[in-house]
Amino acid sequence: QVQLQESGPGLVKPSETLSLTCGVSGYSITSPYYWAWIRQPPGKGLEWIATIHYTWATYYNPSLQSRVTISVDTSKNQFSLKLDSVTATDTAVYYCARHPGNGGPDYWGQGTLVTVSS
Amino acid sequence: DVVMTQTPLSLSVTPGQPASISCRSSQSLLHSDGKTYLYWYLQKPGQSPQLLVYEVSSRFSGVPDRFSGSGSGTDFTLKISRVEAEDVGVYYCLQGVHLPITFGQGTRLEIE
Repeated sequence: QVQLQESGPGLVKPSETLSLTCGVSGYSITSPYYWAWIRQPPGKGLEWIATIHYTWATYYNPSLQSRVTISVDTSKNQFSLKLDSVTATDTAVYYCARHPGNGGPDYWGQGTLVTVSS
Repeated sequence: DVVMTQTPLSLSVTPGQPASISCRSSQSLLHSDGKTYLYWYLQKPGQSPQLLVYEVSSRFSGVPDRFSGSGSGTDFTLKISRVEAEDVGVYYCLQGVHLPITFGQGTRLEIE
């Protein structure tokens, strides 16, 4: 059974960098699947942020691309997200997920709330 | 970006009755490989979204057969044949053909 677990600070100051890691268990990250970050502001809908393949092929949402970096660590079976210059509008539950190349996620992490506040 | 428009935005259903949610995309979701990458999710209160249906009409592992998906091109429907109390939450459609991946705005299902 694939399991994903997000980790990282729950509070980030404005203008700083949000950093999250997704640990994957029960499945090798060096597989044909892709790995994604998705977020959900409180009480709102879902927004895809970025996707990575273990070969380091990366795909970004243009609305966030200038501030986002996604990376993978195959030795630790995990992948990560960095979001620069955060503001209060970046406050959201951040999910990591697995998805096939042209599809939507099939397995999701439980999500982690990141609040941007001084 | 491909805009995904769901209707209705909310619905209230009596247990045992059917329910239907529509999702319309601003561009065709038919990929050059012949597949249509339209997905349906249910986000139960306080939980992560869970996959119900992939590629328009295939139920994901463990999803009850009261859930069914249909459609083609730009118009898609999720149907619940007999709503149960455990079906409450917000339903989202997603398109995975065009980048960026986009979601519908969500349809909230409540039990009467």
